[in-house]
Amino acid sequence: DTAVSQTPKYLVTQMGNDKSIKCEQNLGHDTMYWYKQDSKKFLKIMFSYNNKELIINETVPNRFSPKSPDKAHLNLHINSLELGDSAVYFCASRRSGAPYNEQFFGPGTRLTVL
Amino acid sequence: TQLLEQSPQFLSIQEGENLTVYCNSSSVFSSLQWYRQEPGEGPVLLVTVVTGGEVKKLKRLTFQFGDARKDSSLHITAAQPGDTGLYLCAGVKGAGGTSYGKLTFGQGTILTVHP
Repeated sequence: DTAVSQTPKYLVTQMGNDKSIKCEQNLGHDTMYWYKQDSKKFLKIMFSYNNKELIINETVPNRFSPKSPDKAHLNLHINSLELGDSAVYFCASRRSGAPYNEQFFGPGTRLTVL
Repeated sequence: TQLLEQSPQFLSIQEGENLTVYCNSSSVFSSLQWYRQEPGEGPVLLVTVVTGGEVKKLKRLTFQFGDARKDSSLHITAAQPGDTGLYLCAGVKGAGGTSYGKLTFGQGTILTVHP
């Protein structure tokens, strides 16, 4: 009964490849996020969807494309992977309008680009 | 430009010691959160402070929001090895729907408590 789950946990791939990371939440939340955590542990928001609509789109290369097929799922597709894409990617969710803006994070996907 | 400056970046102390982590900004936040992250896991929310001057306690952890809502601190009393982890502050600017819950994180503090 994991609240926010991500697959895969680890992803090792070659430069230039295309890969996807999947996220699912069973909390009934309507807003989901993708964050990137770099090697220095700095966590930065990338995208957010509310009810399948893109509401936050930070300055991210357009090689990154999020997709939300429904409120419970948010996937991240990355084209033409580069060395600098190596990081841990976290999915998070929250219920819009909830007090205190609590976000629930998944366990992360560690992406290594060789 | 880093909106939230968190310090120190690293903290290595002995069990039983007290410590304080600071989170400072020149910007006003509508609320500020503290998260704790353990290796291989995602951040977990510890507390949210919303009112200037607010103090919240969670067992041995005391959180304070500055009067002007630009800074916050986390104080741990009598640290234990189980407190080891990455502590992150995160701010929200704007209220309710205007912010879409966008969190701006500090750089994090890696705390190691030695037995």
